Amino acid sequence: EDQVTQSPEALRLQEGESSSLNCSYTVSGLRGLFWYRQDPGKGPEFLFTLYSAGEEKEKERLKATLTKKESFLHITAPKPEDSATYLCAVHPRTKYNTDKLIFGTGTRLQVFP
Amino acid sequence: DAGVIQSPRHEVTEMGQEVTLRCKPISGHNSLFWYRQTMMRGLELLIYFNNNVPIDDSGMPEDRFSAKMPNASFSTLKIQPSEPRDSAVYFCASSEQGLRSPGNTIYFGEGSWLTVV
Repeated sequence: EDQVTQSPEALRLQEGESSSLNCSYTVSGLRGLFWYRQDPGKGPEFLFTLYSAGEEKEKERLKATLTKKESFLHITAPKPEDSATYLCAVHPRTKYNTDKLIFGTGTRLQVFP
Repeated sequence: DAGVIQSPRHEVTEMGQEVTLRCKPISGHNSLFWYRQTMMRGLELLIYFNNNVPIDDSGMPEDRFSAKMPNASFSTLKIQPSEPRDSAVYFCASSEQGLRSPGNTIYFGEGSWLTVV
């Protein structure tokens, strides 16, 4: 069964304290791995898509990396405005070419000044 | 670009009542998704449409749930009768050509917060 596990569930950082969020996945084949940011009371906002092991993408203080079993979202020198829940989702390779994304339950990040 | 538009934003209803959630996808997008988010289970896909046709409804929890997409700019998710365990945030999302092409992603609306008492 396709599965996505994110850790930690919650993370508290001091402003400027760099850290990483983990997304481990089990799928029969991976078509893509997606990272979203979700603010309280809002819908998920797209950040990155990674397609193959070794791929990296960056946006401001965020960098996402991908291996064959997991993805990391590295946050460098975070600011309070980076506080949000970060969601990871996989697009599995299936017999029927579905457009289904399977989401993890997220990491809730709080950055304190 | 107005984004995905959902209504109502908040709904409180009594058990047994019918609930209808509405969605307008981004113009030009031909894939539409309905997701449900709860604390326990996170985001789960209920159903999605390509070109107004339901493709995968395996996530619809039971016959009380139904979804329609009568045209390219409108979809509804209906729960009849509603139960307290249906309380959740329901998100509509849309995509240009689904996820089949590299670079495509899905864009979410702000959600409809449903409470069934």
